[in-house]
Amino acid sequence: AQTVTQSQPEMSVQEAETVTLSCTYDTSESDYYLFWYKQPPSRQMILVIRQEAYKQQNATENRFSVNFQKAAKSFSLKISDSQLGDAAMYFCAYRYSGAGSYQLTFGKGTKLSVIP
Amino acid sequence: DGGITQSPKYLFRKEGQNVTLSCEQNLNHDAMYWYRQDPGQGLRLIYYSQIVNDFQKGDIAEGYSVSREKKESFPLTVTSAQKNPTAFYLCASSIERKSGGAKNIQYFGAGTRLSVL
Repeated sequence: AQTVTQSQPEMSVQEAETVTLSCTYDTSESDYYLFWYKQPPSRQMILVIRQEAYKQQNATENRFSVNFQKAAKSFSLKISDSQLGDAAMYFCAYRYSGAGSYQLTFGKGTKLSVIP
Repeated sequence: DGGITQSPKYLFRKEGQNVTLSCEQNLNHDAMYWYRQDPGQGLRLIYYSQIVNDFQKGDIAEGYSVSREKKESFPLTVTSAQKNPTAFYLCASSIERKSGGAKNIQYFGAGTRLSVL
């Protein structure tokens, strides 16, 4: 079974600085998707970024980028120029891309605080 | 506006009572999902449905039931057999037919908080 591990329960960053959140996963599959979701105090899950495993290029979305290391099964999220609105729980998630596979497996999350 | 609507936002259950959480989407998404979130935990899958009139158990289906009579709707019933129902429940949906970049991405509703009286 696939597992996703986020080893940092809590982190903090100074406003305008850069922070990196860690995620590792375990799978025997070669083709899959990885996601980072943000859950602000409102508790609605918001997609931050998606990475397809067959793509070597790291995904980026504005201030958010990932460092995808397939061999190491590592998928970290870097947030640049941190803003107060970035304060939230961040969840890493895995999904096998095979036919008929729908389940997302989530890590337990990292709570990010942004210090003004 | 297109999106996923969950209702109610807060729900209270009495002992021995069944309660139903609503989830409606107008995104024309194929698949729909129910997740449970407990404090300090990630999301755990309860049930999912790929198409109308079909659904599959997730990791923690015991004490829950679902139906998918319409593409837009996927209600979750928390039965009296679920002895620890207090949690935050999230509904999600996704495009699964071939349609480019949005495929396989799950989008979430705002959630329902269920508590036991």
